[in-house]
Amino acid sequence: SAVISQKPSRDICQRGTSLTIQCQVDSQVTMMFWYRQQPGQSLTLIATANQGSEATYESGFVIDKFPISRPNLTFSTLTVSNMSPEDSSIYLCSVEGGAGANRKGTDTQYFGPGTRLTVL
Amino acid sequence: AQSVTQPDIHITVSEGASLELRCNYSYGATPYLFWYVQSPGQGLQLLLKYFSGDTLVQGIKGFEAEFKRSQSSFNLRKPSVHWSDAAEYFCAVGAASNRDDKIIFGKGTRLHILP
Repeated sequence: SAVISQKPSRDICQRGTSLTIQCQVDSQVTMMFWYRQQPGQSLTLIATANQGSEATYESGFVIDKFPISRPNLTFSTLTVSNMSPEDSSIYLCSVEGGAGANRKGTDTQYFGPGTRLTVL
Repeated sequence: AQSVTQPDIHITVSEGASLELRCNYSYGATPYLFWYVQSPGQGLQLLLKYFSGDTLVQGIKGFEAEFKRSQSSFNLRKPSVHWSDAAEYFCAVGAASNRDDKIIFGKGTRLHILP
């Protein structure tokens, strides 16, 4: 399994500002995913980030609000732009892994510890 | 597209008692099924997964789950819970078909352990 770290682990931000969350993996991976977990809720996929191509966003999420970078096979960033209190959530990155993983987003995923964001 | 339901939002059991967390899925073909656990302030950790083969799957921390196609279920069990098992548990379903390309998570079941 992959070891994933995220920075920052938590932050408190003011309305209207932006925060960039970093995700670092200890091995090269093709697919990285960004999820949002709102308070008391399950995980919602924001986007899939493949190295060398633009991220693919899920319905309800747009690039202007959640720009994603994927400069190499071990790193990705998610920016939460022009934040409002409704953006207060835990943001998690994950990677698809395991021997024989089917590399299409529906195989075992390994998660980072999450970034807890509070917007005032 | 696939979907997953966890009927119980909260479950409370006494330490040492047995546990079963329910999960029902909807998918037209063979699913990939997962159970993840999230301890307070932590990310998600994979407990076990089912892709094919033996329908009784063993996982970490003494957990097991049984895939029952006829009931569209993948319930998680543990014969004797420990206080450290208190956490949020998520069932998830992925698709074996190329048409559906993401994992869907259930809303989670929060497990409380009584001393």
